Amino acid sequence: EAQVTQNPRYLITVTGKKLTVTCSQNMNHEYMSWYRQDPGLGLRQIYYSMNVEVTDKGDVPEGYKVSRKEKRNFPLILESPSPNQTSLYFCASSPRTVGRYSNQPQHFGDGTRLSIL
Amino acid sequence: SQQGEEDPQALSIQEGENATMNCSYKTSINNLQWYRQNSGRGLVHLILIRSNEREKHSGRLRVTLDTSKKSSSLLITASRAADTASYFCATDATRLDSNYQLIWGAGTKLIIKP
Repeated sequence: EAQVTQNPRYLITVTGKKLTVTCSQNMNHEYMSWYRQDPGLGLRQIYYSMNVEVTDKGDVPEGYKVSRKEKRNFPLILESPSPNQTSLYFCASSPRTVGRYSNQPQHFGDGTRLSIL
Repeated sequence: SQQGEEDPQALSIQEGENATMNCSYKTSINNLQWYRQNSGRGLVHLILIRSNEREKHSGRLRVTLDTSKKSSSLLITASRAADTASYFCATDATRLDSNYQLIWGAGTKLIIKP
């Protein structure tokens, strides 16, 4: 089944304890992306990757890191999590680059609900 | 960041009625997409409409695009309880800072009452 898989689905942790949220897609998609969703603020993009070893900042990259060493995986790293990073996080992928002049739909994972105390 | 705008923010209707939600954007686009999000789940792509199209259908969904007004509407006909969800539009509207990102609306929360 074609899908985007995120792990963990839920995580409660404490300030400063490094964590990684994994994302994997089995559709051979080039473009992958991380979003966070907060009440009243909608969907905001954190980082995106147009292909292996090509990543760029989205709208809210502060406090996050990503890497794209393989096409299928795009982990989100919080080196020193803080309470303002408590949020619902989504990974998404699409066959080709998303954005201007592109008509690519995005496929989303089921989300990771992160609570940082 | 730039954001599209959707209205209404919330909509509650009886099962069987039609639901209409709107999306407006600020600059020119090549295409506009609609997504559905069930509570706490990931977004699911519904339909994409290109700037040279005025209307598109998919099952009970009808999307219109008016580029002169910079707006789009999503109509769900004969609504069902399973249509209860949030609906988002996303465009490839011009951004000053990136060509590789979509601009997302804030979403319309649709509740279908039995």
